[in-house]
Amino acid sequence: EAQVTQNPRYLITVTGKKLTVTCSQNMNHEYMSWYRQDPGLGLRQIYYSMNVEVTDKGDVPEGYKVSRKEKRNFPLILESPSPNQTSLYFCASSFQVSSLQHFGDGTRLSIL
Amino acid sequence: GIQVEQSPPDLILQEGANSTLRCNFSDSVNNLQWFHQNPWGQLINLFYIPSGTKQNGRLSATTVATERYSLLYISSSQTTDSGVYFCAVEESGGYQKVTFGTGTKLQVIP
Repeated sequence: EAQVTQNPRYLITVTGKKLTVTCSQNMNHEYMSWYRQDPGLGLRQIYYSMNVEVTDKGDVPEGYKVSRKEKRNFPLILESPSPNQTSLYFCASSFQVSSLQHFGDGTRLSIL
Repeated sequence: GIQVEQSPPDLILQEGANSTLRCNFSDSVNNLQWFHQNPWGQLINLFYIPSGTKQNGRLSATTVATERYSLLYISSSQTTDSGVYFCAVEESGGYQKVTFGTGTKLQVIP
């Protein structure tokens, strides 16, 4: 089954404790991206990747890191999480940026 | 960057009614997509529609790129249509970024 898989689905953690949210797709897509969703603000793009080893900042990259060492995986890293990063996070993939995006089920992060 | 505005922000419909959701964007785009976020938070892609008209069952969408807007039509609405509808665009110019609108929250009541 074609899908985008995020883990964990839910996480409660404390300020400053490094965490990684994994994202994996099985559709051989080149384009992958991370979004955060906050009430009243819709979805905002954090980082995107056009292919292996090619990443770029979206609209809200501060406090996040990403890597794209393999085509299927695109982890989101919070080196020192802070409460303002409490949000619902989505990973998405598509063949190219200009094609239909497929989303994971989301990861709800709470930073205390 | 590009601005994407959706209207109305909230909409309540009686089951069986029709509705039109609008997405305006401030600059040229390479593509436009419509998504439905269901009450469980899942994002479902509805249409990839950089221009023209597409239909899928009770849903259809039209994008007029030259006038910088897109419309999503929902006919004979059902309670399962409830949720938030988003449009998302990729701005022209090689930016490779995607910008979402703030969404239209739809509630369909029996």
